[in-house]
Amino acid sequence: SQQGEEDPQALSIQEGENATMNCSYKTSINNLQWYRQNSGRGLVHLILIRSNEREKHSGRLRVTLDTSKKSSSLLITASRAADTASYFCATGGETSGSRLTFGEGTQLTVNP
Amino acid sequence: DSGVTQTPKHLITATGQRVTLRCSPRSGDLSVYWYQQSLDQGLQFLIQYYNGEERAKGNILERFSAQQFPDLHSELNLSSLELGDSALYFCASSVIGDITDTQYFGPGTRLTVL
Repeated sequence: SQQGEEDPQALSIQEGENATMNCSYKTSINNLQWYRQNSGRGLVHLILIRSNEREKHSGRLRVTLDTSKKSSSLLITASRAADTASYFCATGGETSGSRLTFGEGTQLTVNP
Repeated sequence: DSGVTQTPKHLITATGQRVTLRCSPRSGDLSVYWYQQSLDQGLQFLIQYYNGEERAKGNILERFSAQQFPDLHSELNLSSLELGDSALYFCASSVIGDITDTQYFGPGTRLTVL
C-alpha cells in the first residue's frame, strides 16, 4: 500500500515556468526523499530531507517539509523540457526500517 | 548512471515459469533492496539484504525469494509466474542499509509474463 499521495497526479507547464508538486504521508518519518523517473526507466535520486529539516535546496530544486501537516513539496524552478518525468516522494519511516514507501507520483510535462 | 546494474533489461516468459533477476550494487554499498513497480500497486518494497543477511521483508510473495552473495550481488527469483507478476523490478543499493541512507536505484528489469 502507498504511504503517500502526490498532488497533482499530472502537471503540464511551459518551459521556464516553475513546477510545484506536493506529497502527503500518513505515519511518522525519519526522512523524505524525492526521486525522478523518466518514462519507465530507473529512479534517479534528487534530494533527501530529514525530519528535523524544514527546507533544502539543490540547484533548481527546493524541497520543503512540514512534519506537523505530514506533507512535503518539491519546487522545480525555471523548468526545462528535460525535466519531463514522473516525480515520486518516498518516506523512510521511524517504524518501517530502511525500506522506502513511495507515493503514486506526479507526471510532469514541460512543453518547449 | 547510479552505479547499480541490473540484468537482464527485459524478460518475456510464460505463466508457470521461473526467472532470476540479477543486481550488482554500487561499489562499496553493503545493502541491496528489491522493489516492484506495477500499474495497479505502484512502487512496492519487496526485500532488503545487508552484507549477505536478510534485513527487512515487505509484501513479497512466497513464490518470490532472494539472496545476496558474498560478492554482494543479489538475485531475485520469481517462480510459478502469473500474469499479475508482470512489472518493473528495481534493485537499489545503499552504503550501510540504515534508515538515513540514500538508496540508489538501478535501471530495472521489465518482466512480461504471457
